[in-house]
Amino acid sequence: EAGVVQSPRYKIIEKKQPVAFWCNPISGHNTLYWYLQNLGQGPELLIRYENEEAVDDSQLPKDRFSAERLKGVDSTLKIQPAELGDSAVYLCASSLDSSGSGQETQYFGPGTRLLVL
Amino acid sequence: QKEVEQDPGPLSVPEGAIVSLNCTYSNSAFQYFMWYRQYSRKGPELLMYTYSSGNKEDGRFTAQVDKSSKYISLFIRDSQPSDSATYLCAMSGETSGSRLTFGEGTQLTVNP
Repeated sequence: EAGVVQSPRYKIIEKKQPVAFWCNPISGHNTLYWYLQNLGQGPELLIRYENEEAVDDSQLPKDRFSAERLKGVDSTLKIQPAELGDSAVYLCASSLDSSGSGQETQYFGPGTRLLVL
Repeated sequence: QKEVEQDPGPLSVPEGAIVSLNCTYSNSAFQYFMWYRQYSRKGPELLMYTYSSGNKEDGRFTAQVDKSSKYISLFIRDSQPSDSATYLCAMSGETSGSRLTFGEGTQLTVNP
């Protein structure tokens, strides 16, 4: 079974430029997450989707970050314009369904490593 | 103060050693406790999952949760060089869809 796929794996851009990351979750997983992981830190949730609906985006800096999950499968996370402090790893994860009780296992992709110069 | 505290290490042990990794937390609403392993340039992968207090064993790995002390542990027996990675504790509340809160991770190196 294929895992969570992310692209690109690495991205180097200059500050003030736009950048986009793509995620394809595990087939059949309704819930999709975007996390930010700074160097030496644990992942922090940016946004969670249930199918195509963003149900938790309270930690997403909406002035420059946006995300979409059209058709409830693939997702794109965009930053415009990028700032130096956005340099980090952006992780995508998926799980079967987080709407029920308990904590569904989240499966992470390899991440996109962003460097803003 | 962070909700979850974890000693970042680094921790270096010889092959075959018993490794103890720990996290403390402040939010008494946490009910689900997880340990993730993250290899360099990879995403985290779930290693152990525990609900509420108690112990859970899986091969060389044992997870312990002490809710009265707000303290969780991961023990690795007979550690191997392939165990060299960053270990992240994570926890969440009972409510469906509760957000996972991660510790900052402990970097472990097992020397052959």
